[in-house]
Amino acid sequence: KQEVTQIPAALSVPEGENLVLNCSFTDSAIYNLQWFRQDPGKGLTSLLLIQSSQREQTSGRLNASLDKSSGRSTLYIAASQPGDSATYLCAVLSSMEYGNKLVFGAGTILRVKS
Amino acid sequence: KAGVTQTPRYLIKTRGQQVTLSCSPISGHRSVSWYQQTPGQGLQFLFEYFSETQRNKGNFPGRFSGRQFSNSRSEMNVSTLELGDSALYLCASSLESAEKLFFGSGTQLSVL
Repeated sequence: KQEVTQIPAALSVPEGENLVLNCSFTDSAIYNLQWFRQDPGKGLTSLLLIQSSQREQTSGRLNASLDKSSGRSTLYIAASQPGDSATYLCAVLSSMEYGNKLVFGAGTILRVKS
Repeated sequence: KAGVTQTPRYLIKTRGQQVTLSCSPISGHRSVSWYQQTPGQGLQFLFEYFSETQRNKGNFPGRFSGRQFSNSRSEMNVSTLELGDSALYLCASSLESAEKLFFGSGTQLSVL
């Protein structure tokens, strides 16, 4: 059974700092991995999707890497801003599953102080 | 292009009642997935529909059911509500399965 763990559970940083969020998964047989952000009381916004054959994806100040063999992914946020404050969720799609049955981590709550 | 629309936004029901939640995916998206989010269990997959067929199902009791119409709109039904069904129910759509998911704002269900 696939399990996804995110560390740290919460993070508070001053504005402008670069930061790294970690995600680990127990079964390396994945199809893809997605990073999402969720604002309080809202739905999820997809940030980056990495296919199992890829090593990293970049979008603006965000960079996500994937090391499938070690079961790890990191989300790097450069020059953090107060608007980045949200919960960040990692989700994996196992290659043994059919369709969009994602397994989510519990998330990292990020607070960027101005 | 309109996003994923979920209705209603909030719902209050009592134990034993049933409820129907609605989801309109992004135009052209054929896959619609449903997820339950609670503080204790986090986000859990309920089921996915693709071209009106259930493609996959999570580990939820048979009280949870869904369907998809020919226009890709989907409904989720929960019968005989229990207190533990209180949660944020999220719908997500994608063009095809295993692609980037677009989530709606969710329906916050409270069971009293």
